[in-house]
Amino acid sequence: DAGVIQSPRHEVTEMGQEVTLRCKPISGHDYLFWYRQTMMRGLELLIYFNNNVPIDDSGMPEDRFSAKMPNASFSTLKIQPSEPRDSAVYFCASKLAGVWEQFFGPGTRLTVL
Amino acid sequence: GIQVEQSPPDLILQEGANSTLRCNFSDSVNNLQWFHQNPWGQLINLFYIPSGTKQNGRLSATTVATERYSLLYISSSQTTDSGVYFCAVDGATDSWGKFQFGAGTQVVVTP
Repeated sequence: DAGVIQSPRHEVTEMGQEVTLRCKPISGHDYLFWYRQTMMRGLELLIYFNNNVPIDDSGMPEDRFSAKMPNASFSTLKIQPSEPRDSAVYFCASKLAGVWEQFFGPGTRLTVL
Repeated sequence: GIQVEQSPPDLILQEGANSTLRCNFSDSVNNLQWFHQNPWGQLINLFYIPSGTKQNGRLSATTVATERYSLLYISSSQTTDSGVYFCAVDGATDSWGKFQFGAGTQVVVTP
């Protein structure tokens, strides 16, 4: 089975530009999570969805960040406008309802110049 | 929310040595996972282990839920074991669904 798929793997953009990160969870998984990893804050949960509905977005840093899950096989994390402090690795993870184990994608390394 | 502390923060090993990494957590957990982040940044699932003991090759892990700690054992270390090892927990009470990561243990295995 394919694991969690993220695209792009690397993104370099300039301050002020819109950035869209994409995630395809493991087929059949009901939960999808977005995480961010920085040197200063480590790995932190941004938002998670259950059955395509956002459940907890308390980790989203500010209004410039938004996440959607239009269907069970696709989610986006958008930053508009991007700032240099958004530079980080963004991970997507998914899991099955009733099972606690989470499975992580390869991550997207974002650099905002 | 639940607190997660990992120790030691850094570890340098000679190839072939054994080591133990520790993860302490402050509350009951539904989920505890160990991950290895390789030098390319990928997070590799090592163990899902909210309680008990598991082994996978040269790696094994033990979680004593009642005492709120987990241990990851690396035996006969190899240079490919280098990277950062993270413990992450999903609290059973007020932090359900909020996977909390420890700060990690940076492991360097030298030839």
